[in-house]
Amino acid sequence: SYELTQPPSVSVSPGQTARITCSGDALPKQYAYWYQQKPGQAPVLVIYKDSERPSGIPERFSGSSSGTTVTLTISGVQAEDEADYYCQSADSSGTSWVFGGGTKLTVL
Amino acid sequence: QLQLQESGPGLVKPSETLSLTCTVSGGSISSSSYYWGWIRQPPGKGLEWIGSIYYSGSTYYNPSLKSRVTISVDTSKNQFSLKLSSVTAADTAVYYCARSGCCGEWYFDLWGRGTLVTVSS
Repeated sequence: SYELTQPPSVSVSPGQTARITCSGDALPKQYAYWYQQKPGQAPVLVIYKDSERPSGIPERFSGSSSGTTVTLTISGVQAEDEADYYCQSADSSGTSWVFGGGTKLTVL
Repeated sequence: QLQLQESGPGLVKPSETLSLTCTVSGGSISSSSYYWGWIRQPPGKGLEWIGSIYYSGSTYYNPSLKSRVTISVDTSKNQFSLKLSSVTAADTAVYYCARSGCCGEWYFDLWGRGTLVTVSS
């Protein structure tokens, strides 16, 4: 079955830039999406179609794509950004959706 | 403002069928622009897509769960439902319903709060 691979954890100091990667063979063909999840809460969409930002999401969140890897970048990280982040996409046929294993972002 | 709310038993016995319903309020489930999906999250673990349905009844399922999953839609009640058969402890999770785009834009932009389902005798 199709898989998306994320690093388990990323740590940054406040004000620095955090980059979270997500790798998958079908990413050149399928859009990637990113979600932020804080403890006890439902996930929130922060990036869609690789690099688009939904209304209400701060500009410090951005997304990019290169080949089989997509990257979520958080510039000027704030303490409130500490959360789990998940990438999501579809397999090459577009009929099966999958989430990455998640990355815990720690703000030091 | 469109909202989604999961409902159903919080405790299910092993080998039985888990049944949940998602009620959509503040908008129509019959929109041609969206699919409606179920996602689950075992305690302390990551997200797993279960399946999605269009208002017409067209479905997509996670291949790893397909043999046990049925998702249906009731447009008259603005609801869609999940049935997962032959459950085991591994099916214990928070179950979310969510709205997704369609036609190549498969993001989940609106989520319910989630409901914890425990499988135990």
